[in-house]
Amino acid sequence: DTEVTQTPKHLVMGMTNKKSLKCEQHMGHRAMYWYKQKAKKPPELMFVYSYEKLSINESVPSRFSPECPNSSLLNLHLHALQPEDSALYLCASTHRDSSRGEQFFGPGTRLTVL
Amino acid sequence: GENVEQHPSTLSVQEGDSAVIKCTYSDSASNYFPWYKQELGKGPQLIIDIRSNVGEKKDQRIAVTLNKTAKHFSLHITETQPEDSAVYFCAAPTSGGSYIPTFGRGTSLIVHP
Repeated sequence: DTEVTQTPKHLVMGMTNKKSLKCEQHMGHRAMYWYKQKAKKPPELMFVYSYEKLSINESVPSRFSPECPNSSLLNLHLHALQPEDSALYLCASTHRDSSRGEQFFGPGTRLTVL
Repeated sequence: GENVEQHPSTLSVQEGDSAVIKCTYSDSASNYFPWYKQELGKGPQLIIDIRSNVGEKKDQRIAVTLNKTAKHFSLHITETQPEDSAVYFCAAPTSGGSYIPTFGRGTSLIVHP
């Protein structure tokens, strides 16, 4: 299984809502990433988890809260988002955070904040 | 940190033509260079990569070349087909212990039938 899955595919939320994005991989990868991607732009790194511990936070606002419950699962909790947070949110994984090798991306969650 | 420049931003070709996308990087210690294809509504997918100990790698209609001295690498697609139409991103790793790719700005490839 060489796949990263993400749910939901689409999400529409108001600025006062709380929602969560979910990412899962069963490749035994120990590094997992959250990216934000705006239209016609490259992915922009948000967080990196290495061996289930948060290793990198790219100064992301606290309205985004990541969680790694186990080595296969990565969540992104959303609260009090702004319309400018509307984007494609991508999850990715690699074998280890230090390995220079294939980074597998999920299909993304298209988020719209009203 | 690493800086990756990618050109062109848009490339329009006729079916059957070749397409070339070029990237330059700044960190001479970078040693891994992947290329991703992103179709509309999907996540990026690795299509080919090259490590700094080789100069060229080929996989059917796609190839990547690397010039370490000049610090640039290129993606070559031959006999383009309409299904090659997508956004292509190059990347190079930032220095440090964790693998954090720095992406180029992307090239929108349009293949006209």
